[in-house]
Amino acid sequence: AQSVAQPEDQVNVAEGNPLTVKCTYSVSGNPYLFWYVQYPNRGLQFLLKYITGDNLVKGSYGFEAEFNKSQTSFHLKKPSALVSDSALYFCAVRVYGNNRLAFGKGNQVVVIP
Amino acid sequence: DTGVSQDPRHKITKRGQNVTFRCDPISEHNRLYWYRQTLGQGPEFLTYFQNEAQLEKSRLLSDRFSAERPKGSFSTLEIQRTEQGDSAMYLCASSAPLPGQGHPEAFFGQGTRLTVV
Repeated sequence: AQSVAQPEDQVNVAEGNPLTVKCTYSVSGNPYLFWYVQYPNRGLQFLLKYITGDNLVKGSYGFEAEFNKSQTSFHLKKPSALVSDSALYFCAVRVYGNNRLAFGKGNQVVVIP
Repeated sequence: DTGVSQDPRHKITKRGQNVTFRCDPISEHNRLYWYRQTLGQGPEFLTYFQNEAQLEKSRLLSDRFSAERPKGSFSTLEIQRTEQGDSAMYLCASSAPLPGQGHPEAFFGQGTRLTVV
């Protein structure tokens, strides 16, 4: 089975401050890890992925994430948050050969002006 | 627009009625997925197609649900005898193979929000 935990329901951060959204995963095998963002009444937009290689991956809109195999984590980060980053963020995992993504419950990010 | 397209965006139906949703994937993508998202939760996998073949179905997909992809292009998801518990956002996604990586990321449509009254 594959699963994702996003331990915080909401993350509040002041504009210009660093933003971190936490994600831990559980899989049998090597994981493919993803972050998606969802704005109100919209579908999910792909931000970034880890497949293999460098543990630090960079994605859209200045976001990055670090894969940590020993801690089974894939935290999303942004050095300086913008008000427009306020949205719902989902971490997801799958393994090679498995066709379904397992999503976490999501984190609401609120960036305070 | 070259993204995943879903129609309709919103559907309100009375309990017991049948509804059908359509998804048009990104044109070169041979894999198509359906997910369901309820309020406060992440998307849950329903089913996926490789070309026209439906290769996997979740236990969430009861007998009242049926999905098709007749020509390996667009897909439809039908719910028969809708129940209030079917109220959710239904998301479609598609993906394409990348060399050495399988089908890593899926691209999602904007979803169809179903409300059963």
